[in-house]
Amino acid sequence: AQSVAQPEDQVNVAEGNPLTVKCTYSVSGNPYLFWYVQYPNRGLQFLLKYITGDNLVKGSYGFEAEFNKSQTSFHLKKPSALVSDSALYFCAVRPYSGAGSYQLTFGKGTKLSVIP
Amino acid sequence: GAVVSQHPSRVICKSGTSVKIECRSLDFQATTMFWYRQFPKQSLMLMATSNEGSKATYEQGVEKDKFLINHASLTLSTLTVTSAHPEDSSFYICSAPERISGGPADTQYFGPGTRLTVL
Repeated sequence: AQSVAQPEDQVNVAEGNPLTVKCTYSVSGNPYLFWYVQYPNRGLQFLLKYITGDNLVKGSYGFEAEFNKSQTSFHLKKPSALVSDSALYFCAVRPYSGAGSYQLTFGKGTKLSVIP
Repeated sequence: GAVVSQHPSRVICKSGTSVKIECRSLDFQATTMFWYRQFPKQSLMLMATSNEGSKATYEQGVEKDKFLINHASLTLSTLTVTSAHPEDSSFYICSAPERISGGPADTQYFGPGTRLTVL
């Protein structure tokens, strides 16, 4: 069975500084990896995904993530944090198991606080 | 990206009543939709997979007679919480994959969620 670990419950970063939200995964076979962001009392918004190809994936709002197969990691990064980036971030994995299989396994989430 | 809507956004009901939550894919068709439940400061827990034209698939521990799912069309799935009790109070979120390749690489898009409070 697949699993996702987000080792930090909370990450604090000063506005303008680079940010990293960590994610490691465990899955049989090739992973499909996703990052979502959730604002209070809202659903999840898709940020980016890794399917194949270039290990550095660029997504919405200036976010990017780097797939590292040897370390089974998919850390979310942004060069310069904004106060508006403060939210709850979820990493998710889906193994390739044939067409029609869409079930995602989520990490527990990391709360990002960007301090002005 | 694709848009998924949910209605209502929040609902308050008395214990013992039933509540229906709608999930719609607005600009794409979804033969499969997912229903999640999220407790405060916790991750999403998959409750069930809604399949258009067939029965929903429930995760272990989820009562199918309590959480009725109907996938009436390619753009609509409904979750009915029957005989609701205070412990059913939670944030319910639906999602639908946008079928680009028809496989697990497709992105799943989420609705804005429904806050259910059972008094």
